[in-house]
Amino acid sequence: EIVLTQSPATLSLSPGERATLSCRASQSVTSSLAWYQQKPGQAPSLLIYDASHRATGIPARFSGSGSGTDFTLTISGLESEDFAVYYCLQRGNWPPYTFGQGTRLEIK
Amino acid sequence: QLHESGPGLVKPSGTLSLTCGVSGGNIGSGDWWSWVRQPPGKGLEWIGEIYHSGSTTYNPSLRSRVTISIEKSRNQFSLRLTSVTAADTAVYYCARVTYYYDTSSYYFDSWGQGTLVTVSS
Repeated sequence: EIVLTQSPATLSLSPGERATLSCRASQSVTSSLAWYQQKPGQAPSLLIYDASHRATGIPARFSGSGSGTDFTLTISGLESEDFAVYYCLQRGNWPPYTFGQGTRLEIK
Repeated sequence: QLHESGPGLVKPSGTLSLTCGVSGGNIGSGDWWSWVRQPPGKGLEWIGEIYHSGSTTYNPSLRSRVTISIEKSRNQFSLRLTSVTAADTAVYYCARVTYYYDTSSYYFDSWGQGTLVTVSS
């Protein structure tokens, strides 16, 4: 089973700042990695698929990069609605598909 | 749209049964259909998924207790989890797994609102 380790666990930033979230896989998942945003009481929503492709309707301030074992989600110019929990998901090596433990992005 | 339904309380050693209704689309369209769960205050765990043909794939950690089935005539799919314990208490989500042609890959792109299932006597 591939383990995804997200860092940091919590990130405290102010609106307008840049957020950099990391996801590291225990073995290569090539580019088969997605990022999801989850707000309290809601289901996750897809932001980035296949490491760097923005999902439909996702603002350009969200970008993803990486391949193999190291991936990054960058949010340039944080807006108030961006403060949430972010999960990475790998679909490169299954079963099982696995999620990271999440990074909580909170307002400083 | 996807919508989960089923009992919110299940007794220990009992069976958890949930259904996901699909509206606005055809469950036989060629996508995979999945179940994911989230214990209160914790992260996400993939349970398994089913293709429109009926092919299934399960999380090895749950395989002995899980069955996912599909009813194309009713445009819905279902989850059955046996021998439940308190560790199975979670919000259960159903999700569509869509094929992205530009990258030849599958990802969850549409989710139900989730339903909390508590295992308790």
